[in-house]
Amino acid sequence: GQQVMQIPQYQHVQEGEDFTTYCNSSTTLSNIQWYKQRPGGHPVFLIQLVKSGEVKKQKRLTFQFGEAKKNSSLHITATQTTDVGTYFCAGPRYGGSQGNLIFGKGTKLSVKP
Amino acid sequence: EPEVTQTPSHQVTQMGQEVILRCVPISNHLYFYWYRQILGQKVEFLVSFYNNEISEKSEIFDDQFSVERPDGSNFTLKIRSTKLEDSAMYFCASSRAGPKYEQYFGPGTRLTVT
Repeated sequence: GQQVMQIPQYQHVQEGEDFTTYCNSSTTLSNIQWYKQRPGGHPVFLIQLVKSGEVKKQKRLTFQFGEAKKNSSLHITATQTTDVGTYFCAGPRYGGSQGNLIFGKGTKLSVKP
Repeated sequence: EPEVTQTPSHQVTQMGQEVILRCVPISNHLYFYWYRQILGQKVEFLVSFYNNEISEKSEIFDDQFSVERPDGSNFTLKIRSTKLEDSAMYFCASSRAGPKYEQYFGPGTRLTVT
């Protein structure tokens, strides 16, 4: 079945270092969404990418959607302790509708001050 | 800012008992969802609900599960006869429209089945 895979599973960085998480789908996606979940919290929507090759920035966060619309990445420049959490990508289920999202397993980011 | 709310925050139940998890979606949203997250694992889709009926459900959402929108504000998930493996965090989410719009998640209900 359709899968959304993320690497790495864990990333430990020193504060100020950069961080990147990669997301790959087994099928072409109509869009991809990124969510952040703080420890003990709930997923919080960060961004949605729709167009092939799209790049969006939110302050220190840069999101990319691949040309083939099967992969995506999230890059954080100069991490801060507030960036700690698990970052999930999610895409609509192929052939599905009404927002049935398939989530990746997430990348858990820890930041050492 | 409007939020999705969920009650209770933690529910402990014995195996075989019925539980009802409650959610109040954001008021002008039209699509509602339930997800679950087993501790330390990924978020898994259970069911989506639109126009007072189920739009889609996953293979996890078997006959033991049901959803209801009993009034204009609440959205509930019922598990008829809980099993140990139902222990998880259950998140409700809502969105203004379908897949093109972001989903807003509630804080979750931690269900513990003993």
